[in-house]
Amino acid sequence: AQSVAQPEDQVNVAEGNPLTVKCTYSVSGNPYLFWYVQYPNRGLQFLLKYITGDNLVKGSYGFEAEFNKSQTSFHLKKPSALVSDSALYFCAVRDPDTGRRALTFGSGTRLQVQP
Amino acid sequence: EAQVTQNPRYLITVTGKKLTVTCSQNMNHEYMSWYRQDPGLGLRQIYYSMNVEATDKGDVPEGYKVSRKEKRNFPLILESPSPNQTSLYFCASRGMGGGNQETQYFGPGTRLLVL
Repeated sequence: AQSVAQPEDQVNVAEGNPLTVKCTYSVSGNPYLFWYVQYPNRGLQFLLKYITGDNLVKGSYGFEAEFNKSQTSFHLKKPSALVSDSALYFCAVRDPDTGRRALTFGSGTRLQVQP
Repeated sequence: EAQVTQNPRYLITVTGKKLTVTCSQNMNHEYMSWYRQDPGLGLRQIYYSMNVEATDKGDVPEGYKVSRKEKRNFPLILESPSPNQTSLYFCASRGMGGGNQETQYFGPGTRLLVL
């Protein structure tokens, strides 16, 4: 079975400070990992993914994430937060070795960036 | 512009009155799916389809039906809606080729209220 956990319901950070949104996963094989962002009254927008290769993945809007196999984590990071980064962030996983096609999503983390 | 569209965006209905939410994608994707989003639960998959006339249940299929008669369209049908189906619904699509094809694209969402 595949699962993903986002341990923080909300993360608060001041504008200009670095931000981290945490994600841990559980799969039986090698995971495909994703981050999506949801702005109010909008659909989910793709930020970045890890499929294979370099453990540090760079994505849209200056975000990056590091795949850590030993800690089964895929934390989302940004060096300097913007107020406009305030949104709901979802981590998702798929285990391609199981044949399961669906993504499993975490419960989401609300990021609040204060001016 | 590559996109997934859903209609309607907002819908208020009463218990038992059949409804259909349409979904269409213009990216020639084989894989399409429906999710529901509920607070604290993230997104959960309802149904998915790997190609025309090939549909299967996701994690929460009870009370829903789908069809895939054309590659671009994947409607979600609620034959007899109940209040516990009040939710935010997302349609998504992706290719099946692996790598970059793994990115799912989401529609803007349909907010459904069943009275």
